[in-house]
Amino acid sequence: DIQMTQSPSSLSASVGDRVTITCRASQSISSYLNWYHQKPGKAPKLLIYSASSLQSGVPSRFSGSGSGTDFTLTISSLQPEDFGSYYCQQSYSNPDTFGQGTTLEIK
Amino acid sequence: EVLLVESGGGLVHPGGSLRLSCTASGFSFSNYWMSWVRQAPGKGLEWVANIKRDGSVEKYVDSVKGRFIISRDNSKNSLYLQMSSLRAEDTAVYYCARDLGLPGDGTEFDYWGQGTLVTVSS
Repeated sequence: DIQMTQSPSSLSASVGDRVTITCRASQSISSYLNWYHQKPGKAPKLLIYSASSLQSGVPSRFSGSGSGTDFTLTISSLQPEDFGSYYCQQSYSNPDTFGQGTTLEIK
Repeated sequence: EVLLVESGGGLVHPGGSLRLSCTASGFSFSNYWMSWVRQAPGKGLEWVANIKRDGSVEKYVDSVKGRFIISRDNSKNSLYLQMSSLRAEDTAVYYCARDLGLPGDGTEFDYWGQGTLVTVSS
């Protein structure tokens, strides 16, 4: 199975900050990489698919980049509602696997 | 509005069985691959199984192969997960999720249900 490793595991940032979360795959996954946001007690929400495509309805402050093994999710200007956990997911090879998650706290 | 509503979770003893259901509305259910994704308490996400639009293809994570069966009834807009030989490590919130349906082999979960909690304990 392909292992997905996110960093950092947690971070704290202020409203307006630029935030970057990285995801590394144990082997090349081309651009089969998605990002999700999950608030406590809620289902995950798709933010970015195919590494860099913004899902419909998602604010443009979210962006994704990368290909191969290294990927990045960027929040250009952090908003209070952006707290929660972020997960990357690869769908290049079955089984789909997720990163362990990054918990984002708003200072 | 796309809605996915899971049901059937609960407390079950180790070795027991449980059937989860997911009822879909607001979209043409038969046109989409569907998946089950689970999340153990305080842990991350784990894809469990998926099924093709017409039910002809099923895939599973190794840890549930031979114990879980995913199925669907397109006439009822419903997805199912039959779980047997349950173990403590199967304890999780189980979500049904829709595949976005992009061309190609990738899976992108664009809609999720609210989840149903399965607790395996004696």
